[in-house]
Amino acid sequence: AQSVSQHNHHVILSEAASLELGCNYSYGGTVNLFWYVQYPGQHLQLLLKYFSGDPLVKGIKGFEAEFIKSKFSFNLRKPSVQWSDTAEYFCAVNADNYGQNFVFGPGTRLSVLP
Amino acid sequence: DSGVTQTPKHLITATGQRVTLRCSPRSGDLSVYWYQQSLDQGLQFLIQYYNGEERAKGNILERFSAQQFPDLHSELNLSSLELGDSALYFCASSPRWGEQYFGPGTRLTVT
Repeated sequence: AQSVSQHNHHVILSEAASLELGCNYSYGGTVNLFWYVQYPGQHLQLLLKYFSGDPLVKGIKGFEAEFIKSKFSFNLRKPSVQWSDTAEYFCAVNADNYGQNFVFGPGTRLSVLP
Repeated sequence: DSGVTQTPKHLITATGQRVTLRCSPRSGDLSVYWYQQSLDQGLQFLIQYYNGEERAKGNILERFSAQQFPDLHSELNLSSLELGDSALYFCASSPRWGEQYFGPGTRLTVT
């Protein structure tokens, strides 16, 4: 079965620091990849998605992610975080033979200190 | 606000009971997904409906069932509840594949 791992359970950064959250998946075929964010007390929101084409994907709020097929990775980056980026971040994968089934990673909690 | 509504917000019930969670998708979205989020299992896909028909099944227990009605709202039925079913249950609606809008969730506590 496909699985998704996220490298860090909890990341603490100061404002203006750069961010990289790791995401790796286990499936070797065609995949579609997503990052979602859940701000405290709010619902999950889509940050960005990758289906095909340019492996560097830009999302909302200055986030981007890079798909590296050889490493089965889809890491999320932001050059300079803000206090308002404090949230939980989830990576999700949909593999071609899983149809509509989305597999989410366990999440990484990001705390940005002002 | 994603436009997806879920009721109730909180639900406290006893083991062995049955509950129904309701989800109203965004206007025009035909697809509804259900997820369970617990501390130990993370966010798990349960089931998906598209225009009233079941499209995909994930890690949904046999004690759980769902349906989507002609007006496109969906209900998730959980029966013979166990302590381990305590979790946040999210639904998401989707206008097209790959794009999901999540509701605020229903927090279920089984005592």
